[in-house]
Amino acid sequence: GAVVSQHPSRVICKSGTSVKIECRSLDFQATTMFWYRQFPKQSLMLMATSNEGSKATYEQGVEKDKFLINHASLTLSTLTVTSAHPEDSSFYICSARLRTSGGAGSYNEQFFGPGTRLTVL
Amino acid sequence: SQQGEEDPQALSIQEGENATMNCSYKTSINNLQWYRQNSGRGLVHLILIRSNEREKHSGRLRVTLDTSKKSSSLLITASRAADTASYFCATKWNQGGKLIFGQGTELSVKP
Repeated sequence: GAVVSQHPSRVICKSGTSVKIECRSLDFQATTMFWYRQFPKQSLMLMATSNEGSKATYEQGVEKDKFLINHASLTLSTLTVTSAHPEDSSFYICSARLRTSGGAGSYNEQFFGPGTRLTVL
Repeated sequence: SQQGEEDPQALSIQEGENATMNCSYKTSINNLQWYRQNSGRGLVHLILIRSNEREKHSGRLRVTLDTSKKSSSLLITASRAADTASYFCATKWNQGGKLIFGQGTELSVKP
């Protein structure tokens, strides 16, 4: 299947600093990427939908000025957590959407990255 | 919240036994997908069932879908220790490509 990578895999930073997380589709082009956040023992919560060349669409309750998303190319989306605080510590997962061949059986499959563990001290 | 619910939240079984996980959702859907997540890792897509399908098989996996009850079940037969992971259902809304994940079931298969 298609491969999505994330970098870094884990990051520890001090409170008040900004952290950038990259999400790359390695062998396919993704016009749409999604960013999720997952707290321990909880499910994935969609934060925002990132479309190449346009502004991201944020879910209700997600601060767009705090979580900056840039989808500058068809293979790269970045999430920047600005002025990070300990409560931002979480597991951040991206996914990239691949459109399968057309027809009645087609659907947009999402491929997930391995996640980035962010710890804010 | 549109998130669905899964039960049980945690399930512990012996190797060789079958594991059944259930998922309920709230909205109309195009399809429902099941994912596996090993601890601290990303998600692995297991199987997709469309809204017009009632049952689907893939290896040791069997998924059912009851759109009238807005529920789905995932059955893993002849479980193995390597099946230990969290399992999530995810529904795709009719609008857009957003996936909404259930709360997940943490499966532990003891050797």
